[in-house]
Amino acid sequence: GQNIDQPTEMTATEGAIVQINCTYQTSGFNGLFWYQQHAGEAPTFLSYNVLDGLEEKGRFSSFLSRSKGYSYLLLKELQMKDSASYLCAVRDGDYKLSFGAGTTVTVRA
Amino acid sequence: DTGVSQDPRHKITKRGQNVTFRCDPISEHNRLYWYRQTLGQGPEFLTYFQNEAQLEKSRLLSDRFSAERPKGSFSTLEIQRTEQGDSAMYLCASSFVVGGRSDTQYFGPGTRLTVL
Repeated sequence: GQNIDQPTEMTATEGAIVQINCTYQTSGFNGLFWYQQHAGEAPTFLSYNVLDGLEEKGRFSSFLSRSKGYSYLLLKELQMKDSASYLCAVRDGDYKLSFGAGTTVTVRA
Repeated sequence: DTGVSQDPRHKITKRGQNVTFRCDPISEHNRLYWYRQTLGQGPEFLTYFQNEAQLEKSRLLSDRFSAERPKGSFSTLEIQRTEQGDSAMYLCASSFVVGGRSDTQYFGPGTRLTVL
């Protein structure tokens, strides 16, 4: 099975930076994904890491360390619309995603 | 470019009734997945198809649940004799797999089921 841990909630100010950490334990790691989910909506894909290092996509960056079982999602220049739940998911083998419970980010004006 | 679509978006039913949900994946995607999500939790894997073949079922999928993808395109998820514990968001996702390499899963808007 998978153990995926991420903080439950984080609050930050508009324009600031927030880092959401995710730790995992898995038997067959084949990639780590970050999804954004607004309340009542579908998860939308943000980023994917399969090798160690940093992947940057505009205001969002994701980092992976496979040896430490650790990833983070970095959100820069926070906007009000970034208030959402952020889901860390690990792919085991070539199909199944196992998700963490999600981190609810609240952006304050 | 259409994404994954699901129907209905909301379903309210009485305990003991049967319900069926439909998912239409992104057109060129050969893999289709079903997940279930309850409040405050991440999605949990239920089952997946490659083309029309159902290749894996989670132990979460009791005998009351059945899923089909008869022509390798859309899929249906049926729940028989619904229970209050079945109340959740049912999410469908699709991806494209070629040469054994699996691509990103893209999710539909979900069907929110409420069992009274």
